[in-house]
Amino acid sequence: GAGVSQSPRYKVAKRGQDVALRCDPISGHVSLFWYQQALGQGPEFLTYFQNEAQLDKSGLPSDRFFAERPEGSVSTLKIQRTQQEDSAVYLCATPPTSGDQETQYFGPGTRLLVL
Amino acid sequence: DQQVKQNSPSLSVQEGRISILNCDYTNSMFDYFLWYKKYPAEGPTFLISISSIKDKNEDGRFTVFLNKSAKHLSLHIVPSQPGDSAVYFCAASAYGGSQGNLIFGKGTKLSVKP
Repeated sequence: GAGVSQSPRYKVAKRGQDVALRCDPISGHVSLFWYQQALGQGPEFLTYFQNEAQLDKSGLPSDRFFAERPEGSVSTLKIQRTQQEDSAVYLCATPPTSGDQETQYFGPGTRLLVL
Repeated sequence: DQQVKQNSPSLSVQEGRISILNCDYTNSMFDYFLWYKKYPAEGPTFLISISSIKDKNEDGRFTVFLNKSAKHLSLHIVPSQPGDSAVYFCAASAYGGSQGNLIFGKGTKLSVKP
């Protein structure tokens, strides 16, 4: 929604493999959030960027998870040595760039399956 | 411990009738509440929100009610349409709706039958 794209849409990884998930917001989005949604659950916060600064990474479940946004636009969520419990939908979200609406718009997500 | 709870996993309603989806929260620091709708294989879509300084917000067929003393909010959809069938998530934030991480409930699957 509202111009957030994510790639790949689906990713199958073998346990132990490293993966990189991309979030591409329309330029001008200062804030960017990553969430993880396990099957049957609501999205859970992972990390938050303001421009290139990672201001909150308290939701990252382990040190195998790493996120970056080096130029303050595209963001990449990397998961090293994937485990089966990492299987989930990974969602990227940004607030609107205009108006005073207090909300976050979500991308379509990347569905990760770790075998 | 879940800070946002949606205790009904599913709800079935006849087309044209009212749908009422409920949400409870525990954190009194939450100052903004949002409802999202989610279709399969898509990201959550924003529906409507409410600030903690209000007790009601209306947008077309959708109305959100907030009862701060009971730490309870509800989403009313009137009249319900088959296209409303989706999973609805309640979310809350202690930092407004755009600058802080959102805490989500587990969702309620709404089925609107023709």
